Amino acid sequence: EPEVTQTPSHQVTQMGQEVILRCVPISNHLYFYWYRQILGQKVEFLVSFYNNEISEKSEIFDDQFSVERPDGSNFTLKIRSTKLEDSAMYFCASSLYLVGGDGYTFGSGTRLTVV
Amino acid sequence: AQTVTQSQPEMSVQEAETVTLSCTYDTSESDYYLFWYKQPPSRQMILVIRQEAYKQQNATENRFSVNFQKAAKSFSLKISDSQLGDAAMYFCAYGGATNKLIFGTGTLLAVQP
Repeated sequence: EPEVTQTPSHQVTQMGQEVILRCVPISNHLYFYWYRQILGQKVEFLVSFYNNEISEKSEIFDDQFSVERPDGSNFTLKIRSTKLEDSAMYFCASSLYLVGGDGYTFGSGTRLTVV
Repeated sequence: AQTVTQSQPEMSVQEAETVTLSCTYDTSESDYYLFWYKQPPSRQMILVIRQEAYKQQNATENRFSVNFQKAAKSFSLKISDSQLGDAAMYFCAYGGATNKLIFGTGTLLAVQP
């Protein structure tokens, strides 16, 4: 069964450093997303991406964050100048259709720890 | 704005018994989708079941079924014949016109042997 692959599974970074979280969505999917889950809290939408541009972003997704699809397979989330409160699980997801089609397929997540 | 509420932070069920997890939502949209996701200790998000709002028939996937009450904006998940592997956090989620998912706060399900 096709999977969404995220790397690394766990990243530790110093406060103020830049991190890039990587995702390989399912190959024929057209919509890509990033979500965040702070430990013990609910999953929160960050950004959706379609046709090589951001289609929607949340209040959380400020100038510190950026997304890119640098080639035909990867989808990245960059966090500039990380803060302690950026520590969370970051999930990439993809879908073939708009959300109702088959739901999302989520990756297994990247646990980001900012120290 | 749409909201999703899960009022049961924790639930417990005996192995082989049935348990129902509650979810209510609020929306002004007429066309939307509802989902239950399972998050085991590995923290991966696994789709359990989905329901289209325009369908009156409740969705079923093996031991998992939903009770969708559109007028009441209620979407509960029933797990029959509970197994130890069902122990996890369960999130209810809403998907509407904006193509993003809105999640509830989750219900932690424990399965007792």
